[in-house]
Amino acid sequence: GAVVSQHPSWVICKSGTSVKIECRSLDFQATTMFWYRQFPKQSLMLMATSNEGSKATYEQGVEKDKFLINHASLTLSTLTVTSAHPEDSSFYICSASRQMNTEAFFGQGTRLTVV
Amino acid sequence: KQEVTQIPAALSVPEGENLVLNCSFTDSAIYNLQWFRQDPGKGLTSLLLIQSSQREQTSGRLNASLDKSSGRSTLYIAASQPGDSATYLCAVDDTDKLIFGTGTRLQVFP
Repeated sequence: GAVVSQHPSWVICKSGTSVKIECRSLDFQATTMFWYRQFPKQSLMLMATSNEGSKATYEQGVEKDKFLINHASLTLSTLTVTSAHPEDSSFYICSASRQMNTEAFFGQGTRLTVV
Repeated sequence: KQEVTQIPAALSVPEGENLVLNCSFTDSAIYNLQWFRQDPGKGLTSLLLIQSSQREQTSGRLNASLDKSSGRSTLYIAASQPGDSATYLCAVDDTDKLIFGTGTRLQVFP
């Protein structure tokens, strides 16, 4: 398999602040990375797709100005939750694939709590 | 619009039982289907990946089948163990993204 590392695993922040989550593919180059959000007892919902060197594609209903995604290299993508609010509290998970439509490898997830 | 459904939503079985988890999807035009395991508060671990041209994949005590024409996949777990307790998710690769089912919460008790 392949390893995807996500950091931090959990974070607590104050309402109105920004939080950055990193997703790294440790032993392979990821052309495509995905960001998901999972609310309690619900399945994963795709937020956005990022391809290295280009702008992310956001799913309907996801605010691109609030959830900033950067995929500056083939091994790193970041998700920044700007001006976080309590309703942004959720479990965020990234995945990475060598190419589109190939096996996806997931990070460990980040538990975000906004107080 | 692709929809993925998993049945049952929860399952509790004694150790040693063989069990089947079901996944159905509405649009058969998929690239592949993956089964994942998610432990509470953790990320996902990929269990099996079945390409659209394949009918099944096996890994240890796990066997996954795919019937694309009927929009169904099953995950068979043989000789279940308490360590198998987790939520199992299936996801279909639909053109450019994974669509997840709602998962089956499995508990295997000693």
